[in-house]
Amino acid sequence: DTGVSQDPRHKITKRGQNVTFRCDPISEHNRLYWYRQTLGQGPEFLTYFQNEAQLEKSRLLSDRFSAERPKGSFSTLEIQRTEQGDSAMYLCASSPPGTVNSPLHFGNGTRLTVT
Amino acid sequence: GQSLEQPSEVTAVEGAIVQINCTYQTSGFYGLSWYQQHDGGAPTFLSYNALDGLEETGRFSSFLSRSDSYGYLLLQELQMKDSASYFCAYTGRRALTFGSGTRLQVQP
Repeated sequence: DTGVSQDPRHKITKRGQNVTFRCDPISEHNRLYWYRQTLGQGPEFLTYFQNEAQLEKSRLLSDRFSAERPKGSFSTLEIQRTEQGDSAMYLCASSPPGTVNSPLHFGNGTRLTVT
Repeated sequence: GQSLEQPSEVTAVEGAIVQINCTYQTSGFYGLSWYQQHDGGAPTFLSYNALDGLEETGRFSSFLSRSDSYGYLLLQELQMKDSASYFCAYTGRRALTFGSGTRLQVQP
């Protein structure tokens, strides 16, 4: 169990640029989640995959955000035309097959700074 | 609507006991979880309650009352390393919804 891996750890970009983050979940985990966290707040749900299917997407997520999990393994989160308000820590989590109660295993996140 | 309420900060001394309360409002509730997050670190799972009552895991215990939409995390024999943020989160139909967190500061 090597844990959930996220890349890059930090990303600084200029407003208007596109960015893409990668998440490699724990290998046996079929569920993958993306969350966003700002300072002093809890993780905010963005989207959720079960295998390769994107089952839920937050209504708060604008059309500039898109996520994929093409083969049911790693996932990417892309933000197009970044805005300063997108600056946050982007967390990926995975959980094993089973009930919805399975604990989430989080990666260390990608910290995005939009200048 | 859907929401969770927990105190923003709690301070306690080493060796003491502290209770972090959480109230929630949601339709479609499966259970209440607690996660710990140290500064700069990832959230890590502490405990989960699906049914009313107390769950104990070492120095940490968690309680749930579904009829009151209320739960708490109890930390005993506090240690300096327990200084962190603690999040309650409810399991809905699909994804975990987190509260804003309680920052616990343990003083010597």
